[in-house]
Amino acid sequence: AQSVSQHNHHVILSEAASLELGCNYSYGGTVNLFWYVQYPGQHLQLLLKYFSGDPLVKGIKGFEAEFIKSKFSFNLRKPSVQWSDTAEYFCAVNINRGNQFYFGTGTSLTVIP
Amino acid sequence: EPEVTQTPSHQVTQMGQEVILRCVPISNHLYFYWYRQILGQKVEFLVSFYNNEISEKSEIFDDQFSVERPDGSNFTLKIRSTKLEDSAMYFCASIGQGLTGYTFGSGTRLTVV
Repeated sequence: AQSVSQHNHHVILSEAASLELGCNYSYGGTVNLFWYVQYPGQHLQLLLKYFSGDPLVKGIKGFEAEFIKSKFSFNLRKPSVQWSDTAEYFCAVNINRGNQFYFGTGTSLTVIP
Repeated sequence: EPEVTQTPSHQVTQMGQEVILRCVPISNHLYFYWYRQILGQKVEFLVSFYNNEISEKSEIFDDQFSVERPDGSNFTLKIRSTKLEDSAMYFCASIGQGLTGYTFGSGTRLTVV
């Protein structure tokens, strides 16, 4: 079965610190990769996505992620976090277009002012 | 920006009762999905719907669940006889032909008492 692993369950950072959240997946074929964010009390929102091409993708709000095929990873980064980045972050993998996404368990990020 | 709309935002129901969760996907999208997120757990796939029929469903989606697109715009999830463990946030999502990334609705929080 396909799986998506997010090893950091809860991350606490001070404002202006750098962020890296890990995401690894188990499927060996072609994948489409996504990061979603869920702010408290809100719905899932797309941060960024990778389909093909440049493995370093940039998303909204200063986030970026790097696809490393050899490591089956798609880590999320941000050079300097803000208090407003406090949220739950979910990595997701889609294998065949139109079919289901597999979500990681999520990483809760708390940014301390 | 187009949105996926879900109603109600919160529903409380007694165990054994039927509930219908409603979603209005983005109008030109072709694939529709239901996911759920039990408090503190990861987002889980329930079912995908394409061309007026279920294309894929998970083990969670048993005979108690059904989906329907009754009028070409609404996409509903029915739980026939709710159980306490059905309490969760239910998210509807839709996606267009180009697979630009799921657009999620704001969710319906279902509480079974």
